[in-house]
Amino acid sequence: AQKITQTQPGMFVQEKEAVTLDCTYDTSDQSYGLFWYKQPSSGEMIFLIYQGSYDEQNATEGRYSLNFQKARKSANLVISASQLGDSAMYFCAIHTGTASKLTFGTGTRLQVTL
Amino acid sequence: EAGVAQSPRYKIIEKRQSVAFWCNPISGHATLYWYQQILGQGPKLLIQFQNNGVVDDSQLPKDRFSAERLKGVDSTLKIQPAKLEDSAVYLCASSLVRVSPLHFGNGTRLTVT
Repeated sequence: AQKITQTQPGMFVQEKEAVTLDCTYDTSDQSYGLFWYKQPSSGEMIFLIYQGSYDEQNATEGRYSLNFQKARKSANLVISASQLGDSAMYFCAIHTGTASKLTFGTGTRLQVTL
Repeated sequence: EAGVAQSPRYKIIEKRQSVAFWCNPISGHATLYWYQQILGQGPKLLIQFQNNGVVDDSQLPKDRFSAERLKGVDSTLKIQPAKLEDSAVYLCASSLVRVSPLHFGNGTRLTVT
């Protein structure tokens, strides 16, 4: 079985500051992928960033980077230079070859303040 | 490219009634997913199709939920009869291949009264 744990129900960050959203995972598969999605209040799920288990470099996409620590089974999302539009729910998810499905965590609500 | 299309956007029904949701994935995407997202929770996979075949429906309550993907393109998800606990957002997603980012539709918000 695969599992994602997001221990931060809510986070606050000031505009222009960086913020780290935590994600730990559990799987017995050697090959897996980790995803982060953003869900604004409008409801759509927006893909942000992907990290493969065999990728040696941490993934980056613009202001998003993934701090991948394989030994600790963590895949934290770092958002640099936060903007008001970053306020949303953020979900971490894992896909393994064995399960062949994407399993989501419970999410973290991020609020960016002035 | 056009995104994943879902309809309706909102639906309110009484318990024991039936309801159907429709999804049109991104053109060329072989894999289609239906997720249920209850308020305050992460999305939970209900069913996954590869073309028109079912890959995973282990969490689909088959006594009341059904889904089909005729011709490997559009898909419909049906609930019959609905229960109060079915109130949720139903998200459809598609991907080019199984292990690639999922592209989600805007979802259907179902309220069962």
